[in-house]
Amino acid sequence: DGGITQSPKYLFRKEGQNVTLSCEQNLNHDAMYWYRQDPGQGLRLIYYSQIVNDFQKGDIAEGYSVSREKKESFPLTVTSAQKNPTAFYLCASTSVTGESYNSPLHFGNGTRLTVT
Amino acid sequence: AQSVTQLDSHVSVSEGTPVLLRCNYSSSYSPSLFWYVQHPNKGLQLLLKYTSAATLVKGINGFEAEFKKSETSFHLTKPSAHMSDAAEYFCVVSGGGADGLTFGKGTHLIIQP
Repeated sequence: DGGITQSPKYLFRKEGQNVTLSCEQNLNHDAMYWYRQDPGQGLRLIYYSQIVNDFQKGDIAEGYSVSREKKESFPLTVTSAQKNPTAFYLCASTSVTGESYNSPLHFGNGTRLTVT
Repeated sequence: AQSVTQLDSHVSVSEGTPVLLRCNYSSSYSPSLFWYVQHPNKGLQLLLKYTSAATLVKGINGFEAEFKKSETSFHLTKPSAHMSDAAEYFCVVSGGGADGLTFGKGTHLIIQP
């Protein structure tokens, strides 16, 4: 079955350590996204990528970094510069028709990161 | 610029009674609108989408939503709630650009037995 795989499901880190969250998709989607979810806040966009080797900052990119070396993979690194990294992180992807991004997003099951 | 407001942070209904989750939006363009559902510690799953075809949109699990341009609303309804409907629901507006998705803050649906 096609889908998006995020790993690990739960991640615990000490403050000051960088940590990388994995996101892999086999849907052949061009566009991929990282969102952060906090209780009562909805989803906030961290980074997105429309094509391999290219990505753009979202609304809350500070303290995060990404790479897009392969179409299938879009890992997110939470750096020590992120002041409040404990959150639920969701990866998503979508197909693109011409210039239109009106196709629905497909989501992974998320990674819950706890930093102490 | 676009925005979306989910009017209720929590909605509680009894099993077997109707569900109404309210969403208002604003957009400079003809928007696409979506409803997603999220069960605890899971990703979001698409319930339904509106993309300028029929204004009454039917989705999965018996949900439907009506696009009302004059009221800038896209409320989600279901005639009869089931215990498995208990979840977080998100209304989303898209202006069509790569980063153009705006999420509401979510409505937590509680189903009383």
